[in-house]
Amino acid sequence: DAGVTQSPTHLIKTRGQQVTLRCSPKSGHDTVSWYQQALGQGPQFIFQYYEEEERQRGNFPDRFSGHQFPNYSSELNVNALLLGDSALYLCASSLGGIQNSPLHFGNGTRLTVT
Amino acid sequence: LAKTTQPISMDSYEGQEVNITCSHNNIATNDYITWYQQFPSQGPRFIIQGYKTKVTNEVASLFIPADRKSSTLSLPRVSLSDTAVYYCLVGRIEGGADGLTFGKGTHLIIQP
Repeated sequence: DAGVTQSPTHLIKTRGQQVTLRCSPKSGHDTVSWYQQALGQGPQFIFQYYEEEERQRGNFPDRFSGHQFPNYSSELNVNALLLGDSALYLCASSLGGIQNSPLHFGNGTRLTVT
Repeated sequence: LAKTTQPISMDSYEGQEVNITCSHNNIATNDYITWYQQFPSQGPRFIIQGYKTKVTNEVASLFIPADRKSSTLSLPRVSLSDTAVYYCLVGRIEGGADGLTFGKGTHLIIQP
């Protein structure tokens, strides 16, 4: 039973560029949440997708956008990259129809902006 | 928004029982309490979840007093591999982002 998979594992981009990160949820899960984790900090909630719609959003600018596909996989897009966007980006999947379904995380994409 | 407060760090020794307490004074009636464990360069891993009283699984116990304003994660007989950051989350995933909000967590260090 495959868990949450994220790609790529590492990425280096230049300030001002755009990046797309990808996530495949755990088998049977239909909800995907994205997090940004800076070094030494807890994961910060970016947004959550369910039924191909953004359901919840954290305190992140519009440069951060996402998409969920019919097969429940998801993408996170970040435009106009800033040095401060360097972080570990985590994807988590869960069951949208079950209250407080625990989050299952992938091991993230390490983004470095130079 | 049920914010949580945890100790920033804790130390213990192999074979000891470790208790990490999380304060959540503004917890709402429909809120659950969930704990995650995170190792460096990995995503957090679900440990345990509860609503009231006591919950136990194969790796931990969760104690929740009657007023639910705090909760205690108990790790029995810890080993070096339990060194990690532990996060307490409070909220409902359905209907709000509260249950998706991580704090700074507790950095647990286990020594030989």
